[in-house]
Amino acid sequence: QKEVEQNSGPLSVPEGAIASLNCTYSDRVSQSFFWYRQYSGKSPELIMSIYSNGDKEDGRFTAQLNKASQYVSLLIRDSQPSDSATYLCAVNKNAGNMLTFGGGTRLMVKP
Amino acid sequence: DAGITQSPRHKVTETGTPVTLRCHQTENHRYMYWYRQDPGHGLRLIHYSYGVKDTDKGEVSDGYSVSRSKTEDFLLTLESATSSQTSVYFCAIRGTGGNQPQHFGDGTRLSIL
Repeated sequence: QKEVEQNSGPLSVPEGAIASLNCTYSDRVSQSFFWYRQYSGKSPELIMSIYSNGDKEDGRFTAQLNKASQYVSLLIRDSQPSDSATYLCAVNKNAGNMLTFGGGTRLMVKP
Repeated sequence: DAGITQSPRHKVTETGTPVTLRCHQTENHRYMYWYRQDPGHGLRLIHYSYGVKDTDKGEVSDGYSVSRSKTEDFLLTLESATSSQTSVYFCAIRGTGGNQPQHFGDGTRLSIL
């Protein structure tokens, strides 16, 4: 079992819809969770951080964390074609120095 | 944007030659990382540094060495490049504090023929 798992996709949603991206992790001591967006040929860009159970909203993005079920999700409301990218989930264990990355989910938003 | 500069941005070289990639930061961050990203494998940690002259191995360190003689610079060296080291290499930095995220440089696309 991989430490951080994501469905590779592609996840295809129409413009204006809600895109839901999911990530599960295996280590219960994980404390910090991050979502990165990576456009094709570009570097990963941090878009959300979440540390506590519940929801965290930032503009059109909402991160959701459920430590009991060991999953973290990212919702993108009013999806735009410019949101088409690969989204990487990253997990930090024990407030340590390393991140473990999932393989990423490719999102396609169709006009 | 985090002050991270990777050089070169692109490089083509031949098998058996030495290659050094440079990561330069202006943020004075303690932690620096080198990753490689390949299709089907995602981001994999090669080496990281937690201070000047303090480095440790990551998941895929074989064939790579690193050095950090100054806070701002972290060098990745392929002593004798092989075709399997063709990849995109990313440097990342992170501030002190348990919950700090990593921020990535623009990457170096390395092709070894």
